[in-house]
Amino acid sequence: KQEVTQIPAALSVPEGENLVLNCSFTDSAIYNLQWFRQDPGKGLTSLLLIQSSQREQTSGRLNASLDKSSGRSTLYIAASQPGDSATYLCAVSPSGANSKLTFGKGITLSVRP
Amino acid sequence: DTGVSQDPRHKITKRGQNVTFRCDPISEHNRLYWYRQTLGQGPEFLTYFQNEAQLEKSRLLSDRFSAERPKGSFSTLEIQRTEQGDSAMYLCASSLRRGLANEKLFFGSGTQLSVL
Repeated sequence: KQEVTQIPAALSVPEGENLVLNCSFTDSAIYNLQWFRQDPGKGLTSLLLIQSSQREQTSGRLNASLDKSSGRSTLYIAASQPGDSATYLCAVSPSGANSKLTFGKGITLSVRP
Repeated sequence: DTGVSQDPRHKITKRGQNVTFRCDPISEHNRLYWYRQTLGQGPEFLTYFQNEAQLEKSRLLSDRFSAERPKGSFSTLEIQRTEQGDSAMYLCASSLRRGLANEKLFFGSGTQLSVL
């Protein structure tokens, strides 16, 4: 059974800092990995999707990497801003025909002005 | 608005009552997913549809839960005889699946259910 772990559960950084959020998964037979952002009481917004054959994806100040063989992914946020404060979840999709995602519990990020 | 919409946003009910939630996906999306999220946890998969066919249901989905997508457009999730353990955020997502291409899921804002 796939398990996704995100440690630590919470992180507080000063504005402007570059930071890395970690995600690990137990079964390397994945189809893709996605990073999502969730604001309090809201749904999820997809940030980046990395296909299993890719090593990284970039969008603006965000960069996500994937090391499938070691079961790890990182989300790098450059020059953090207070508006980046949210919970960041990673999720993996199994090999096969569906996108039944398995999520981690998320990392709650607070960026202090 | 062309995003995924869910109704209602909040629902408070008494234990034993039935509740129904609605999800309207992005119009051209052929896949629709239901997830459940409790406080401090990541979303857990419940079920998904491709067009009107329900293709998979999680073991989390007890007999009290039923989901439909009658015309391959909107979907409903009904919970009968609600229990306090059903209190959670119910999230709907949709996607456009073409062959084996990777699909991005678009989530709605969720329905927060509180069972008293």
